[in-house]
Amino acid sequence: QKEVEQDPGPLSVPEGAIVSLNCTYSNSAFQYFMWYRQYSRKGPELLMYTYSSGNKEDGRFTAQVDKSSKYISLFIRDSQPSDSATYLCAMSPMEYGNKLVFGAGTILRVKS
Amino acid sequence: DAGVTQSPTHLIKTRGQQVTLRCSPKSGHDTVSWYQQALGQGPQFIFQYYEEEERQRGNFPDRFSGHQFPNYSSELNVNALLLGDSALYLCASSLDRKETQYFGPGTRLLVL
Repeated sequence: QKEVEQDPGPLSVPEGAIVSLNCTYSNSAFQYFMWYRQYSRKGPELLMYTYSSGNKEDGRFTAQVDKSSKYISLFIRDSQPSDSATYLCAMSPMEYGNKLVFGAGTILRVKS
Repeated sequence: DAGVTQSPTHLIKTRGQQVTLRCSPKSGHDTVSWYQQALGQGPQFIFQYYEEEERQRGNFPDRFSGHQFPNYSSELNVNALLLGDSALYLCASSLDRKETQYFGPGTRLLVL
């Protein structure tokens, strides 16, 4: 069983839709959670980062962490075609700069 | 402000050869981590360098080695290349372990 599970998709939505991306994990030691966006043939780009449980909002993006369920989510409001990319969740037991454990990534396609 | 840079962008090698990949961290960062990303997978942690020492290592064989220079730049060396080493190799930098990691564009390695 992988430490971090993420549905690979692809997830296809119309422009303007609300997108929900999710990851589950098995290691209860994870405390630092991140979402990266990766365009084709590019390196991952940091979108959001949160510590422990709760919500964090930044523009059209909201990150949620539910440590009791070992479940994290990224919501994208008013999705745009430029949001089409692979979204990777990542987590670490000790600080953001430590070894990151990634999910396999979810491919998102936003249709105009 | 220059971000993380990596060279070369692409590389083709044959089985049994050796390869060296290079990374320059984001300005002000002193910690460099290397990840391997196979097609359709999330990045896998190889190792991390801080103050010219390997501080953490993932589940990779000794064929994978690295180095960090006094200016914080880093090299990843892979010996006795296997077909399975074909992947995107990503470098990420951070300020010690406390801060989030920023990724470079990666080096795409193909082993024939």
